[in-house]
Amino acid sequence: DAKTTQPPSMDCAEGRAANLPCNHSTISGNEYVYWYRQIHSQGPQYIIHGLKNNETNEMASLIITEDRKSSTLILPHATLRDTAVYYCIVRVKGGSYIPTFGRGTSLIVHP
Amino acid sequence: DGGITQSPKYLFRKEGQNVTLSCEQNLNHDAMYWYRQDPGQGLRLIYYSQIVNDFQKGDIAEGYSVSREKKESFPLTVTSAQKNPTAFYLCASSIDWGAKNIQYFGAGTRLSVL
Repeated sequence: DAKTTQPPSMDCAEGRAANLPCNHSTISGNEYVYWYRQIHSQGPQYIIHGLKNNETNEMASLIITEDRKSSTLILPHATLRDTAVYYCIVRVKGGSYIPTFGRGTSLIVHP
Repeated sequence: DGGITQSPKYLFRKEGQNVTLSCEQNLNHDAMYWYRQDPGQGLRLIYYSQIVNDFQKGDIAEGYSVSREKKESFPLTVTSAQKNPTAFYLCASSIDWGAKNIQYFGAGTRLSVL
């Protein structure tokens, strides 16, 4: 299973875009990239996932490099409520792989 | 509203006592999971269940037990054999074991030892 590497912490000004990187250089062709976030003392919340193409939903955008070895989660206009720990996870399509939540990136959005 | 309900929100355990954490979902999901989270750490898998009447050990199952007698319920018992039970416990479910099984989490139970 592919491992992921994320910076331990980042900060961002309110109203600006937050770009959270994730390295998954050992990803295989059938593994999806998933992002979750966990606001303090709550359960993690699903944000977005993708395989090869860039994806966008109401919460965020996911940019996956052409070689699929890294990805970036973009929160286009960060708010104070986006302060959370963000987890990047890879999953095998159709397999019994259970997501592994590492330490993630602690994003602090400041006024 | 559909979702996952964990109870209680806070729980205290005395030495030598078994305690049970409740997890109920009304999402009609087949798969359910229990994770443990220690301060500043990621989530570690305790047990998971792909379908009713079946469950498997995760990475840190020692000192814990589960049952899956109903599709909507997956209670976790923290036994006296678990010597360091103080942690935040999270229950999750996913529609099935397939390709895009997004996990949905409960609000968690914080367990402390008296």
